[in-house]
Amino acid sequence: DADVTQTPRNRITKTGKRIMLECSQTKGHDRMYWYRQDPGLGLRLIYYSFDVKDINKGEISDGYSVSRQAQAKFSLSLESAIPNQTALYFCATSDLGGPDGNEQFFGPGTRLTVL
Amino acid sequence: GIQVEQSPPDLILQEGANSTLRCNFSDSVNNLQWFHQNPWGQLINLFYIPSGTKQNGRLSATTVATERYSLLYISSSQTTDSGVYFCAVDVGGSNYKLTFGKGTLLTVNP
Repeated sequence: DADVTQTPRNRITKTGKRIMLECSQTKGHDRMYWYRQDPGLGLRLIYYSFDVKDINKGEISDGYSVSRQAQAKFSLSLESAIPNQTALYFCATSDLGGPDGNEQFFGPGTRLTVL
Repeated sequence: GIQVEQSPPDLILQEGANSTLRCNFSDSVNNLQWFHQNPWGQLINLFYIPSGTKQNGRLSATTVATERYSLLYISSSQTTDSGVYFCAVDVGGSNYKLTFGKGTLLTVNP
């Protein structure tokens, strides 16, 4: 079984709709991240969380919100989707206390299209 | 913020050839990772290598932290090596976020 899972894997929605992307992990890591990838670009950080009660904005948080429901779950919401939020979204986890410091591990990605 | 530059942006090889991908970064880093993004979009961890040299099969990586660059070597390339290779760094501090380069698109032809 995959250590970091994302649902859904693909989603097509319309402008103005609310949508939630979910991430679950079985690695036991405290730190979780949401990134987005646009064609021809690397990944950019949207939000991150170091603990259930900890939520922090990344470099491109406008138009997004997150919820850390439990150590293993971190969800990303688009309150009112717009076409320029069409992208590939990745969840990642890391464990600072591990042998390889802050090595991050990524989920399989969610391909979101906003029409 | 830190700048991460990868070269070359595109590389086309014949199966069996060797290649070297480069990652330059503009500041000291706490963490450096290499990833392979396959044609299905999945990001595969290749190396966690803030300094030194590591090898894994046909792939190896070297980071010279004092000179702010890292190299990824692919030997005896195979068609399954095709995809985008990303370098990503973390400068530590308060968020440990990874800053990604724009990647090298590798195409290995049979």
